Amino acid sequence: AQSVTQLGSHVSVSEGALVLLRCNYSSSVPPYLFWYVQYPNQGLQLLLKYTSAATLVKGINGFEAEFKKSETSFHLTKPSAHMSDAAEYFCAVSENNFNKFYFGSGTKLNVKP
Amino acid sequence: DGGITQSPKYLFRKEGQNVTLSCEQNLNHDAMYWYRQDPGQGLRLIYYSQIVNDFQKGDIAEGYSVSREKKESFPLTVTSAQKNPTAFYLCASSFPTENTEAFFGQGTRLTVV
Repeated sequence: AQSVTQLGSHVSVSEGALVLLRCNYSSSVPPYLFWYVQYPNQGLQLLLKYTSAATLVKGINGFEAEFKKSETSFHLTKPSAHMSDAAEYFCAVSENNFNKFYFGSGTKLNVKP
Repeated sequence: DGGITQSPKYLFRKEGQNVTLSCEQNLNHDAMYWYRQDPGQGLRLIYYSQIVNDFQKGDIAEGYSVSREKKESFPLTVTSAQKNPTAFYLCASSFPTENTEAFFGQGTRLTVV
């Protein structure tokens, strides 16, 4: 089975600073990768997904992620944090044969004014 | 608008009672999923269904049951056998094809007293 590791359960940045949320996956073949965002007491919203068309994926709200096969990583970045980015972020991977989704444990992003 | 509707948003039940959480989608998705979310543990898969009248156990199916009589509906029953049912429950759906993201409902917060 696939597994996803998100380093850092809590990340705190200042408004305007770079956001970097880390995600590593375990897979012997290139998986399908996703980043989701969750606001309190709500469902998950897709930020972006890796389609294999390009290693750098751009998503909504200024977020992007880079797929690095050699490092089995799919880290999420945003050049300049905004207060509205404060939320919990989940990295997910799906299997090829059937799209079961496996989620990391999540990273809560705090943005300080 | 197309989407996934979970109801109710908040649910309180006494210990030992069975309770059913509703999930309805009008996205014409074949696959549907139930996840349980606990703080710091990410999302864990309870059950999933690829087609009507078929479903599979996920990683934490004990104490839960589901049915899939209609494509649009995938209700989850939390039985009295579930030892620690208090959690946030998320329903999702997707097309059962590669590299397709899951769409999530807004969740149901179940509290057992």
